[in-house]
Amino acid sequence: SQTIHQWPATLVQPVGSPLSLECTVEGTSNPNLYWYRQAAGRGLQLLFYSVGIGQISSEVPQNLSASRPQDRQFILSSKKLLLSDSGFYLCAWGIDNSNQPQHFGDGTRLSIL
Amino acid sequence: AQKVTQAQTEISVVEKEDVTLDCVYETRDTTYYLFWYKQPPSGELVFLIRRNSFDEQNEISGRYSWNFQKSTSSFNFTITASQVVDSAVYFCALSEDLYNFNKFYFGSGTKLNVKP
Repeated sequence: SQTIHQWPATLVQPVGSPLSLECTVEGTSNPNLYWYRQAAGRGLQLLFYSVGIGQISSEVPQNLSASRPQDRQFILSSKKLLLSDSGFYLCAWGIDNSNQPQHFGDGTRLSIL
Repeated sequence: AQKVTQAQTEISVVEKEDVTLDCVYETRDTTYYLFWYKQPPSGELVFLIRRNSFDEQNEISGRYSWNFQKSTSSFNFTITASQVVDSAVYFCALSEDLYNFNKFYFGSGTKLNVKP
């Protein structure tokens, strides 16, 4: 069966520090991968998606970047965090061209001080 | 424009009451898919149901039921005899045609509080 792992679960970082959140998927090949952010009390905003290794599409301009160095690995990064980067970050995987449900990781709660 | 609207920000009910969560969507595609997810306090999103645009039959799964009406672009979710464990944020989502990389458009969510 397929599983998705995200880490760390919680993170507290000072303003201006770098960020690296990692997401890995097991049990499936060539998945579509997605990064979402959920600000406090708000809905899910799609940040990035990837349909293959090295292929990244950005949905909103921001202080963050994403990379997909391996088929089942998706990384969310920042060189310098802003206060507005605080939130709950969720990684998800899906099957391309299928309209099947996306499956989500447990999320990372990021607090910027 | 918002593709998925969940106008109810927060709902509070007493255990055993029925509650309906509203979802209105907007799309120009004739083929699309609608989803409901549950987000308990722990944070992970749990998939509940998927419905395609050609199937307007209502669906029932235990205490959960879904009412899909294309005429009003709505896909409402009803919980019958609510329980405290139903307390969560519920999200409605839309996925459009097959060649859209399976991107989802989520509503802003409805927080359901079920009190004992």
